[in-house]
Amino acid sequence: DIQMTQSPSTLSASVGDRVTITCRASQSISSWLAWYQQRPGKAPKLLIYKASTLESGVPSRFSGSGSGTEFTLTISSLQPDDFATYYCQQYHSFSYTFGQGTKLEIK
Amino acid sequence: VQLVESGGGLVQPGRSLRLSCTTSGINFRDYGMCWVRQAPGKGLEWISFIRRKDFAETTESAASVKGRFTISRDDSRGIAYLQMNSLKTDDTAMYYCSTCSGSFDSWGQGTLVTVSS
Repeated sequence: DIQMTQSPSTLSASVGDRVTITCRASQSISSWLAWYQQRPGKAPKLLIYKASTLESGVPSRFSGSGSGTEFTLTISSLQPDDFATYYCQQYHSFSYTFGQGTKLEIK
Repeated sequence: VQLVESGGGLVQPGRSLRLSCTTSGINFRDYGMCWVRQAPGKGLEWISFIRRKDFAETTESAASVKGRFTISRDDSRGIAYLQMNSLKTDDTAMYYCSTCSGSFDSWGQGTLVTVSS
């Protein structure tokens, strides 16, 4: 299986900050990568697919980049609603796998 | 788009449970469907996928559930199922269904399965 590794595991930031989360794949996955946001007690929500395509309705402060084995999710200016856990996921091949998650906390 | 999971609950190890994912607001037959689970306090784990009818409704499963869990679908009713047999304590988790195009596009709210004696 393809292993997905996110860094950092925890990130402390303030409203208005620009933050970046990194996701690395154990082998090339081309651009078959998605990002999700999960708030406590809620289902995950798709933010970005195919590495950089913003899902409909997702604010433009979210952006994704990368290909091959290294990917990033950037939030350009943190809003209070953005404090949550973020997961990357590869869908290059089965078994689909997720990163372990990055918890974004208020500083 | 709405997905609603049901069928979770408390079950003893070794027993079976069937989860349902009832959809509305979509043309169900146009979508692949997936199940994803999340153990308490842990991350997300994809467990099962079923393709559309025009891809013969073929399935994929994670190694952790292969041979024990079976995904199926009823296009006439817009429902996806997850039959879970030989349940283990490690299967305790929130189970989510989602529309699935590689990425998990729309999600239900989840149904909690607790496996304990």
